Amino acid sequence: GAVVSQHPSRVICKSGTSVKIECRSLDFQATTMFWYRQFPKQSLMLMATSNEGSKATYEQGVEKDKFLINHASLTLSTLTVTSAHPEDSSFYICSARREGGYTFGSGTRLTVV
Amino acid sequence: RKEVEQDPGPFNVPEGATVAFNCTYSNSASQSFFWYRQDCRKEPKLLMSVYSSGNEDGRFTAQLNRASQYISLLIRDSKLSDSATYLCVVSGGANNLFFGTGTRLTVIP
Repeated sequence: GAVVSQHPSRVICKSGTSVKIECRSLDFQATTMFWYRQFPKQSLMLMATSNEGSKATYEQGVEKDKFLINHASLTLSTLTVTSAHPEDSSFYICSARREGGYTFGSGTRLTVV
Repeated sequence: RKEVEQDPGPFNVPEGATVAFNCTYSNSASQSFFWYRQDCRKEPKLLMSVYSSGNEDGRFTAQLNRASQYISLLIRDSKLSDSATYLCVVSGGANNLFFGTGTRLTVIP
């Protein structure tokens, strides 16, 4: 139980384009979803906290106009990387709190060329 | 100072060995503690939560020392399949999760 489905798992896009990443909670309602980014050999870093029906909360240094978060329902949160640049290439992963801990999506490896 | 600090390793151990990882956290008000396992290019998966009384799950034992603000993970009888990165994760209030950089373990045949 408590599965979070994340899509796509891998995406390559051209510089300047936008990419949308979806996270769905399949068997529970996630009022809050967390979005992380992980660069090679570094720890997961929280980018933003998405709350169903309200604005996301962004961490310091994360541009809210570049990383658009939408959490329109209790089972779906999306992260859109707008005007992507090569430095945005990273592993993006979502997470939701559940009983006993946190459950993670499978992650999205974004490569901007 | 980082919220969570871990020795990145790598730890290279032979099959059957016992290996221990430690992790320290800076916020004494931290409430929840976890060990996650992350395989290369995959998402982290919960290995075990860490309780004040310590807890054991098969070959894995986790302990929490609140006074010294550290968490440990002990793996006994290491298997090849235990090779992965082990993330120490600490939760503060307001659903904030803080991750260590992870400790890389390689179990050698």
